[in-house]
Amino acid sequence: NAGVMQNPRHLVRRRGQEARLRCSPMKGHSHVYWYRQLPEEGLKFMVYLQKENIIDESGMPKERFSAEFPKEGPSILRIQQVVRGDSAAYFCASSPARTGDYGYTFGSGTRLTVV
Amino acid sequence: KQEVTQIPAALSVPEGENLVLNCSFTDSAIYNLQWFRQDPGKGLTSLLLIQSSQREQTSGRLNASLDKSSGRSTLYIAASQPGDSATYLCAVRVETSGSRLTFGEGTQLTVNP
Repeated sequence: NAGVMQNPRHLVRRRGQEARLRCSPMKGHSHVYWYRQLPEEGLKFMVYLQKENIIDESGMPKERFSAEFPKEGPSILRIQQVVRGDSAAYFCASSPARTGDYGYTFGSGTRLTVV
Repeated sequence: KQEVTQIPAALSVPEGENLVLNCSFTDSAIYNLQWFRQDPGKGLTSLLLIQSSQREQTSGRLNASLDKSSGRSTLYIAASQPGDSATYLCAVRVETSGSRLTFGEGTQLTVNP
């Protein structure tokens, strides 16, 4: 029973390029959450999705960031025209139910470096 | 707005010592509280989940307590080992914030052999 799978583990992008981060939730989990950990800072909520629905995107930057969780396939966090300040670790978590009674399971993260 | 604070920010102890990590939160209307461990360059490993109706949870050498009214949780680690060295994160889910977690900035623990 694989856990939450994120790929790639490390991603290097030049300023202005696009970054695509993928997250496959645990089997049986239909709720996905993205968090960002900036250097020397705590984890901050970005977005919460269910299949084909964005439930809460209150933590997403207003521009250049988008997320989706299609009916088939992994959840994607997309960052357009990356800037140095986007360098961070991006973590995905999943849960089996909205209420989170079972807590959240996190992936190993994608470390994005913008050069 | 929920704020989560963890004290101390860093802690260094000799092997075998019992220790306590502290977490405080400003909004006592929480749904649950979860303690995680994060190793350098790695993801988060869930240690313990305490629902708002519970006072404590135990797993092996770890014991977490929750006092909603005072906005506090503690993580007790018994007989610490060098393998316990990591950053410990406390996260709360507030009833009014949907499903998001609010994290503290963590306590970086070093257990010296």
